[in-house]
Amino acid sequence: GAVVSQHPSWVICKSGTSVKIECRSLDFQATTMFWYRQFPKQSLMLMATSNEGSKATYEQGVEKDKFLINHASLTLSTLTVTSAHPEDSSFYICSARVGLAEGYEQYFGPGTRLTVT
Amino acid sequence: GNSVTQMEGPVTLSEEAFLTINCTYTATGYPSLFWYVQYPGEGLQLLLKATKADDKGSNKGFEATYRKETTSFHLEKGSVQVSDSAVYFCALKSFTGRRALTFGSGTRLQVQP
Repeated sequence: GAVVSQHPSWVICKSGTSVKIECRSLDFQATTMFWYRQFPKQSLMLMATSNEGSKATYEQGVEKDKFLINHASLTLSTLTVTSAHPEDSSFYICSARVGLAEGYEQYFGPGTRLTVT
Repeated sequence: GNSVTQMEGPVTLSEEAFLTINCTYTATGYPSLFWYVQYPGEGLQLLLKATKADDKGSNKGFEATYRKETTSFHLEKGSVQVSDSAVYFCALKSFTGRRALTFGSGTRLQVQP
């Protein structure tokens, strides 16, 4: 099946710094990738939809200037958490979409755990 | 808007016990329904899906039937194994509005030998 990787799998950063998380589709091209955030014991909340070559579409309540998304190629999307604060600590998961029609599938990366100290 | 409600966990069972994890949904139109599984340290994997009412999705001994009248998609397995220990997410995909998956809160299953 389709494989999606994320890097890093775990990162600790100091408050005020920025962190970049990469999401790659390893054996397929993805025109659309989704970024989710998961709090402990809670569901995955969609943050934004990333389309190759265009601006990301953010969900209501997600600060686009804080969570910068770049989808520069058909196999790579990046999420940059700018000026991170402890409340940004969470598990970030990306997902790549395969197929264009209504029957498309989503394949998920293993997630990145961000801890802001 | 769309939403998915799952039973809270953790669910702890002995090996070979019967499993049911309840899932109900609210959605506009006729969504597709999914169960995903997340093993420790791994990404979410599609377990099974159903795209229309009365469809039954099945995989690895797990089953779920799309019940439109009760807006439910309960996950069942007749005999669980220790290797089934994981977090299970119910999700829906609607073809109106947002098109990404909407997830339930997840249910952790612990199977003891």
